Amino acid sequence: GEDVEQSLFLSVREGDSSVINCTYTDSSSTYLYWYKQEPGAGLQLLTYIFSNMDMKQDQRLTVLLNKKDKHLSLRIADTQTGDSAIYFCAEMYSSASKIIFGSGTRLSIRP
Amino acid sequence: GAVVSQHPSRVICKSGTSVKIECRSLDFQATTMFWYRQFPKQSLMLMATSNEGSKATYEQGVEKDKFLINHASLTLSTLTVTSAHPEDSSFYICSAAGQTTNYGYTFGSGTRLTVV
Repeated sequence: GEDVEQSLFLSVREGDSSVINCTYTDSSSTYLYWYKQEPGAGLQLLTYIFSNMDMKQDQRLTVLLNKKDKHLSLRIADTQTGDSAIYFCAEMYSSASKIIFGSGTRLSIRP
Repeated sequence: GAVVSQHPSRVICKSGTSVKIECRSLDFQATTMFWYRQFPKQSLMLMATSNEGSKATYEQGVEKDKFLINHASLTLSTLTVTSAHPEDSSFYICSAAGQTTNYGYTFGSGTRLTVV
């Protein structure tokens, strides 16, 4: 079945690193994504990773993919107040070419 | 590139009326468009997938007659919420994919529908 799971909340201190975790079920996923949603706004694609990659780094963002365990993580270095948002993990469900979203992780920043 | 425009961004309508939401791909041809619904503090739920020129494929539990989807051109898909009721109030987001969006799909900015 189609299932993407994430923890609902994460709180970190400003300047620390944030790590948001996600597990998925479709072993034949082509792409895996991280989207950011700020209150009342649409989705902003933060980064994506091909299923044949293990890691992707883009400035403060690092994505790690463990295909064996079907585990995806997003690390945000030097977390800032502007990073407060909901972060959605998503996979392209390859058999139907549609994107399935996780429940979202609400990241809050402590001063 | 790969910009998707969604209108309106916010709409308030009376119960029993119908509301149309537009999703346009501005700089690419969208062969496939997706419509999602997001309840407050929840994730996005895929409602339907539409391919240009053919009938939409609805996810299980989504009423086809209530949520009419038209994908008449390669740049425009519309979602019409018919005979809207307060429980239809939600955030609706479209996304589009085409041959040039090779890493995935581009999302619109969403429409906040409130039915009073």
